[in-house]
Amino acid sequence: EVLLVESGGRLVQPGRSLRLSCAASGFTFTTSTMSWVRQAPGKGLAWVSTISTPGGDTYYAESVKGRFTVSSDSSTNTVYLQMTNLTAEDTAIYYCVKTGNWFDPWGQGTLVTVSS
Amino acid sequence: QSVLTQPPSVSGAPGQRVTISCTGTSSNLGADYDVHWYQHLPGKVPRLLVYANKYRPSGVPARFSGSKSGTSASLAITGLQAEDEADYYCQSFDRSLSGYVFGGGTTVTVL
Repeated sequence: EVLLVESGGRLVQPGRSLRLSCAASGFTFTTSTMSWVRQAPGKGLAWVSTISTPGGDTYYAESVKGRFTVSSDSSTNTVYLQMTNLTAEDTAIYYCVKTGNWFDPWGQGTLVTVSS
Repeated sequence: QSVLTQPPSVSGAPGQRVTISCTGTSSNLGADYDVHWYQHLPGKVPRLLVYANKYRPSGVPARFSGSKSGTSASLAITGLQAEDEADYYCQSFDRSLSGYVFGGGTTVTVL
């Protein structure tokens, strides 16, 4: 069974940084593509970033390009999302998702709140 | 606003059929990228409902069906049930943005 467990979400002040983690199990991590998708309060789903673990290629939504960095560690089957210069608009539940052309399955999500 | 356009809400009585539209452009659905649908129940994690336009993952009831034509797609729910009350999202890939895109979501209400 595929299992994705996110962690690292918390309350953080504007302008600060935060790193999210996603521990993956139940599938071959080294040949998989993983993404982060977020949902701001009262808003819809929004793709954030994708990493292709085989080659390390990374992709970002325009709204986070230059501020967020996605990475992975094949020795621990973990995907990370390093977020810098956070703003209130980054407040959201962040989901880790196994990715093909579609997103499935999803982790339970971790809440990031950016507020002073 | 979202790259893919969905109606904010649809409603129907139990047992009825409802459809949710998803309209894209020549950069996504019209560029022959597939559309996928997700169900997001209140307080739950989003769930893949339909992939590659019309295929249902194991465990998804047959009352959910998807279709795509040109720059538009739709999700149909036949025999609407109270447990179908949720938000539904379409998703695809956009070659101009070089990224994945979602619709704004549609809230289904069972009357």
